[in-house]
Amino acid sequence: DSGVTQTPKHLITATGQRVTLRCSPRSGDLSVYWYQQSLDQGLQFLIHYYNGEERAKGNILERFSAQQFPDLHSELNLSSLELGDSALYFCASSAQGFDGYTFGSGTRLTVV
Amino acid sequence: DQQVKQNSPSLSVQEGRISILNCDYTNSMFDYFLWYKKYPAEGPTFLISISSIKDKNEDGRFTVFLNKSAKHLSLHIVPSQPGDSAVYFCAGNGAGSYQLTFGKGTKLSVIP
Repeated sequence: DSGVTQTPKHLITATGQRVTLRCSPRSGDLSVYWYQQSLDQGLQFLIHYYNGEERAKGNILERFSAQQFPDLHSELNLSSLELGDSALYFCASSAQGFDGYTFGSGTRLTVV
Repeated sequence: DQQVKQNSPSLSVQEGRISILNCDYTNSMFDYFLWYKKYPAEGPTFLISISSIKDKNEDGRFTVFLNKSAKHLSLHIVPSQPGDSAVYFCAGNGAGSYQLTFGKGTKLSVIP
């Protein structure tokens, strides 16, 4: 157990729907990152939150949004889902003195 | 633009021999590099890192070498064990940024 908790582990939904992925960071970590891993692709950076504030955005679609709550958990909202959104979505957290990430086990999203 | 490239999608090595995984980067602002290991159905886990002020870092069977002039790093695993079979991701990080840029990964298979 890495200490980063992601729920749900698997999600199957239809095109056009909206889903919410949840992440609880490792205890004491203030930063949360979201990454997408599609088939044959590396880990693509989506967004970074630090203590409730958005710090950096990567290749995140406008249909996607995220937030980090006062208890530091984070949610990634994916709307108007398309087949191409099927992927593994990873959340990671890091400590204040950055020395890399700790990843959760991911949420596998399948859009049918 | 792929800033971190792992040009070998897969690698097979006999148990007990050396595994060498390669990674090239294009972003000259990167000053910290990490290797992550990923088993199926799990999130990536941190393996070893290296700062740009060093050219080598060792941790047990794992050694990372950095050649800044060539913008190249490599991960050596000696001796390789069947439990090392996994996907290995190389990642780079720039000064002041908490964002990691990942390569697409190399799948290592260690044959008993």
